Amino acid sequence: KQEVTQIPAALSVPEGENLVLNCSFTDSAIYNLQWFRQDPGKGLTSLLLIQSSQREQTSGRLNASLDKSSGRSTLYIAASQPGDSATYLCALGNEKLTFGTGTRLTIIP
Amino acid sequence: GAVVSQHPSWVICKSGTSVKIECRSLDFQATTMFWYRQFPKQSLMLMATSNEGSKATYEQGVEKDKFLINHASLTLSTLTVTSAHPEDSSFYICSARDGLSPRGRGQFFGPGTRLTVL
Repeated sequence: KQEVTQIPAALSVPEGENLVLNCSFTDSAIYNLQWFRQDPGKGLTSLLLIQSSQREQTSGRLNASLDKSSGRSTLYIAASQPGDSATYLCALGNEKLTFGTGTRLTIIP
Repeated sequence: GAVVSQHPSWVICKSGTSVKIECRSLDFQATTMFWYRQFPKQSLMLMATSNEGSKATYEQGVEKDKFLINHASLTLSTLTVTSAHPEDSSFYICSARDGLSPRGRGQFFGPGTRLTVL
């Protein structure tokens, strides 16, 4: 059974700093990996999708990498802003998604 | 862009009553919809997969007679929580897959429904 872990559970960073969020998974079979953000009490916003054959994706200040051999993905956020404060979730799967435990990010102005 | 709506956005009900939650794909046809549940400070857990015109497939540990799913059209799936109890209080989120997108892409999430059972 796929298990997806995100460490740390919570992270506070001063505005302007670069940061990395981590996602680990136990089953390295061929899956897509997605990163989402969730604002309090809200649904999910898809940030980046890395297909199983890819190693990374970039969108603006965000860069996500996928290393299936080590069972890890990272989400890099450059020049963090207060508006980046949210919970970030990674999820594995092609159809049915297995979500990670999430990292609650707070950007301190 | 693809939009998925949920109705209601929040609902409070008495224990023992039934609650219906709707999930709609507004600008695309969703051959498959997924229902997730999220308890406070926990991640999303898949409850069931809903395919248009057929019975839903439930994940292990999810009671199909308690969580009734109907996917009667390509744009609408409903989740009915029957005889709700306080432990059913949760945030329910649906996602819809665009039938025209390649497999593994084109899955869009609704804004969620907060259910509180008194």
